[in-house]
Amino acid sequence: QSALTQPPSASGSPGQSVTISCTGTSSDVGGYNYVSWYQQHPGKAPKLMIYEVSKRPSGVPDRFSGSKSGNTASLTVSGLQAEDEADYYCSSYAGSTQGYVVFGGGTKLTVL
Amino acid sequence: QVQLQESGPGLVKPSQTLSLTCTVSGGSISSGGYYWSWIRQHPGKGLEWIGYIYYSGSTYYNPSLKSRVTISVDTSKNQFSLKLSSVTAADTAVYYCARDYSNRFDYWGQGTLVTVSS
Repeated sequence: QSALTQPPSASGSPGQSVTISCTGTSSDVGGYNYVSWYQQHPGKAPKLMIYEVSKRPSGVPDRFSGSKSGNTASLTVSGLQAEDEADYYCSSYAGSTQGYVVFGGGTKLTVL
Repeated sequence: QVQLQESGPGLVKPSQTLSLTCTVSGGSISSGGYYWSWIRQHPGKGLEWIGYIYYSGSTYYNPSLKSRVTISVDTSKNQFSLKLSSVTAADTAVYYCARDYSNRFDYWGQGTLVTVSS
């Protein structure tokens, strides 16, 4: 069982917006602004999409955005495109007492 | 552009030790500021952080694997390595090496599948 809870699936039509949640505790998501999101296409390595809750690395489209409220972080993909179909994983720093790094179980995003 | 590449046996027998190496190019492990990480993904499952190492040799491990994991660094070869002892079929997974910069994994290797089977 993953430390962070994500819905197993999410979907939306091209052009729509979809939000994926990531729920942890006050010891990880709620305790630090070190939530990251990763995109993984089949057979590929994960790719960093969001870091420090809401920051985008260079090259990541601004259609991807992140936020956090309490112990729940969220990834929103706006203007869905076919290439956004992938698995998405959240991650959070969890401190030395909670094992340093925790991941969510992943969400399969389907573009209808 | 930093690149990471995993290498090592793709098949390991039960009870033996899994050994993998990650070679870093395009940047020096010794430059500091980064933690060099191992992450695995069981077939069809999510990501699991194994641990990371700083260039100085300081290590940090997932508590659930700590008793079986050793991560080491060889700055002269710009490599870091993973050893996982007493493996079982449950350790069959794709193993990734990655760079942790300020609590985000910004560069990843392509991953290598390790199967535990007799």
